[in-house]
Amino acid sequence: EAGVAQSPRYKIIEKRQSVAFWCNPISGHATLYWYQQILGQGPKLLIQFQNNGVVDDSQLPKDRFSAERLKGVDSTLKIQPAKLEDSAVYLCASSPRQSYGYTFGSGTRLTVV
Amino acid sequence: LAKTTQPISMDSYEGQEVNITCSHNNIATNDYITWYQQFPSQGPRFIIQGYKTKVTNEVASLFIPADRKSSTLSLPRVSLSDTAVYYCLVGDFGNTGGFKTIFGAGTRLFVKA
Repeated sequence: EAGVAQSPRYKIIEKRQSVAFWCNPISGHATLYWYQQILGQGPKLLIQFQNNGVVDDSQLPKDRFSAERLKGVDSTLKIQPAKLEDSAVYLCASSPRQSYGYTFGSGTRLTVV
Repeated sequence: LAKTTQPISMDSYEGQEVNITCSHNNIATNDYITWYQQFPSQGPRFIIQGYKTKVTNEVASLFIPADRKSSTLSLPRVSLSDTAVYYCLVGDFGNTGGFKTIFGAGTRLFVKA
């Protein structure tokens, strides 16, 4: 079974620039999550999709972050404009419906300078 | 969502059994307990989940007392490769079918030779 694919693996941008991350979940997984993990901390949920609908985006900074999941498969997370404090690893995870276990991708390490 | 409390770090030696205890005093009736493992530069990996009593798989055992206010992850005969961060989470499926939970700071386990 292929895992959760994320790209790019690393990204360095200047503050106020925009950036986008891509995630391809495991085939058939209905639920998709985007997490932000700052160095030394646990992952923080940004947004949760069930198929192509948003079920939780309460912690997504909507003034600068946006996410979409077209056709209930791939997803993109965008930051515009980026701030220094957005430097983190952005993790995508997916799971089947009614499953306790998420499968995470390897993440995208973002550095904002 | 119930908050969890874990030790910040633990040290062990190869071949020893390691027990990591997690406190979740406000666990709800519908909540399940899950544990994840995270290596540097990787996304977290699901280890085990349970609701009550004892659960065992090929990697670990999970002990949950009757009041469910705590749980203990037991790793038998650890090796150097078990050095990682371990997260205890509680959550439920809600109305969406997607498991909803919160990651804390985790426990950093360091296994020495």
